[in-house]
Amino acid sequence: DAMVIQNPRYQVTQFGKPVTLSCSQTLNHNVMYWYQQKSSQAPKLLFHYYDKDFNNEADTPDNFQSRRPNTSFCFLDIRSPGLGDAAMYLCATSRGLEQETQYFGPGTRLLVL
Amino acid sequence: AQSVTQLGSHVSVSEGALVLLRCNYSSSVPPYLFWYVQYPNQGLQLLLKYTTGATLVKGINGFEAEFKKSETSFHLTKPSAHMSDAAEYFCAASPTGGGNKLTFGTGTQLKVEL
Repeated sequence: DAMVIQNPRYQVTQFGKPVTLSCSQTLNHNVMYWYQQKSSQAPKLLFHYYDKDFNNEADTPDNFQSRRPNTSFCFLDIRSPGLGDAAMYLCATSRGLEQETQYFGPGTRLLVL
Repeated sequence: AQSVTQLGSHVSVSEGALVLLRCNYSSSVPPYLFWYVQYPNQGLQLLLKYTTGATLVKGINGFEAEFKKSETSFHLTKPSAHMSDAAEYFCAASPTGGGNKLTFGTGTQLKVEL
């Protein structure tokens, strides 16, 4: 089945130790998004790629970076994770940027020790 | 700036009863509207969406929602709740005219009791 895949499902890292979360998609969608969802809160958009064009949200901390080496893969890099970065990270894709449904992966739960 | 308000962070219904989850949006131009469901430790799954056309939208699992411009609302309903409906529900909006940025409400946890 075509889908959005996130690995790993659970990630434990240490305070200040860089960590990378991975997302892949078999939908061949042009747009890939990363959301942060803290406990009992709504998902919050961090950034998105339209093809290779990167779009950062104004309030996304510099600590968060992203890479999209090809259509299928997108990575979220957290350069120096703090305790406040512990959250569920959701990857989503859409075909385009107008009226398009976003398809979400299962998420990666990040724990910072 | 666009915002989405979900009244009631927790809603409890009996199995077989009507489900009503409330959502109001705030923007000068009516946005596109979505309802997503999230089961524990899973991603979000689209239930239904409104973009243009008929204001009563039918979705998966027997859910439907009605866009009411005069009330700036997009409430989600299901005539008869099932135990499997227990989950968190998010209303979201994205602006017309491109961008596709979703602004989510804070979610409503639905509990279904026997």
